[in-house]
Amino acid sequence: DAGVTQSPTHLIKTRGQQVTLRCSPKSGHDTVSWYQQALGQGPQFIFQYYEEEERQRGNFPDRFSGHQFPNYSSELNVNALLLGDSALYLCASSRQPSYEQYFGPGTRLTVT
Amino acid sequence: KQEVTQIPAALSVPEGENLVLNCSFTDSAIYNLQWFRQDPGKGLTSLLLIQSSQREQTSGRLNASLDKSSGRSTLYIAASQPGDSATYLCAVRPHGNQFYFGTGTSLTVIP
Repeated sequence: DAGVTQSPTHLIKTRGQQVTLRCSPKSGHDTVSWYQQALGQGPQFIFQYYEEEERQRGNFPDRFSGHQFPNYSSELNVNALLLGDSALYLCASSRQPSYEQYFGPGTRLTVT
Repeated sequence: KQEVTQIPAALSVPEGENLVLNCSFTDSAIYNLQWFRQDPGKGLTSLLLIQSSQREQTSGRLNASLDKSSGRSTLYIAASQPGDSATYLCAVRPHGNQFYFGTGTSLTVIP
């Protein structure tokens, strides 16, 4: 059973550029959440997708947007990149009723 | 807003020792709490999930307890091993869909 997968593993972008990160959930899971983790910090919730809709959003600007596809996979898009967007981006999948979260290996984004 | 605190921030113990990691949260109205481990630069591995109606969960050498009324959870690791060295994170889910994480406890087990 494949767990949560994310691509790419690493990414280097320049300020002002746009980036797209991808996530495939664990088999049987229909809910995908995205988190940003800065060095030495706990993950911060960006948003959650369920049935192709954004169900809940954390305290992140509109530069962060997402999408969920009919096969439950998801994308995170970040526009107008800032140096402060450099972080590990984590995807977690889950399903009702417990919403126990299973995380992917993450995408390390570096903005120069 | 839910605040999650983990103390200590770092812990170093000799191999074989039993240890306790602490997690506290400000709003006791939670749906569940989950403990994770994270190796450097990697994703999070789920260790234990405790529902709000439960008092504890066990998996192998790990035991997690939950006291909602006091806003506390502990993760007990028995007979620690060097392979247990990692950062341990707790996350709480209020009655919504968002998990709130602590900043973690960095554990080093010395052979």
